[in-house]
Amino acid sequence: QKEVEQDPGPLSVPEGAIVSLNCTYSNSAFQYFMWYRQYSRKGPELLMYTYSSGNKEDGRFTAQVDKSSKYISLFIRDSQPSDSATYLCAMSLTGNQFYFGTGTSLTVIP
Amino acid sequence: GAGVSQSPSNKVTEKGKDVELRCDPISGHTALYWYRQSLGQGLEFLIYFQGNSAPDKSGLPSDRFSAERTGGSVSTLTIQRTQQEDSAVYLCASSLRWGLTGADTQYFGPGTRLTVL
Repeated sequence: QKEVEQDPGPLSVPEGAIVSLNCTYSNSAFQYFMWYRQYSRKGPELLMYTYSSGNKEDGRFTAQVDKSSKYISLFIRDSQPSDSATYLCAMSLTGNQFYFGTGTSLTVIP
Repeated sequence: GAGVSQSPSNKVTEKGKDVELRCDPISGHTALYWYRQSLGQGLEFLIYFQGNSAPDKSGLPSDRFSAERTGGSVSTLTIQRTQQEDSAVYLCASSLRWGLTGADTQYFGPGTRLTVL
C-alpha cells in the first residue's frame, strides 16, 4: 500500500466551477499536509500548508485535513484557466522526508 | 533573487554511462532535497541535506546513486552505470530550514530530464 493515494484524473471543469481535489493516506502519524501546483515542465510550487487537522483558506483556495479519516482536500473556488496544472498533495511526519501523491491533472476550460 | 537552478535541463545518455546532475539552491538555504519524478509515480524522495548534519540517504534506490553537497551550497547527484529505469525528471528543492514553528517552504528547481537509451 502506498503511503499517499491520489486520483491522477485527468479532471476537466468549466471556468468558474468549484474544484475538489483529494488525497488519502495510511500513516496516522503524519502531521504536516501540503498542496503543490506544478505547471508543465516546471518544478512544483507550494500552494497551501496545514499543520494537523482543520481548514485553511487563502483566497480562492481552501485546504482541509481530516485526520480521523486520513483524508485531505483542496478546494478551488471560481476556477480560472490559469489554474490548469497538476496538483500534488504531500505529507510529512517531521519535515525531513516528504511523501507525495502522484498528482491530479486539472484543466479549466474557458 | 535567483531561485533554485538545475543543470543540465535535459540529459540523454547511453545505458551503462555515469551522469552528474547539478543543483544550485537559493543562497542561505540550509536544507536541500533531491526527488525523482516518473510518469504516474509522483515525486519520490531520494536524499536530504540539512546544514552540516549527516544526509538522510534513506530514499536512494540503489548504491548506483550518490549525492554530495559541497560547502553547504551546491549539490551534485551522481548516477553510475545508468539503467533505462533511471529515466525520469530529477528535481532539487531547497528551504531555509525546518523550524519548530512549522514547515518552511520548499522551493523547487525546474528539474533535469534524464533519458537513458
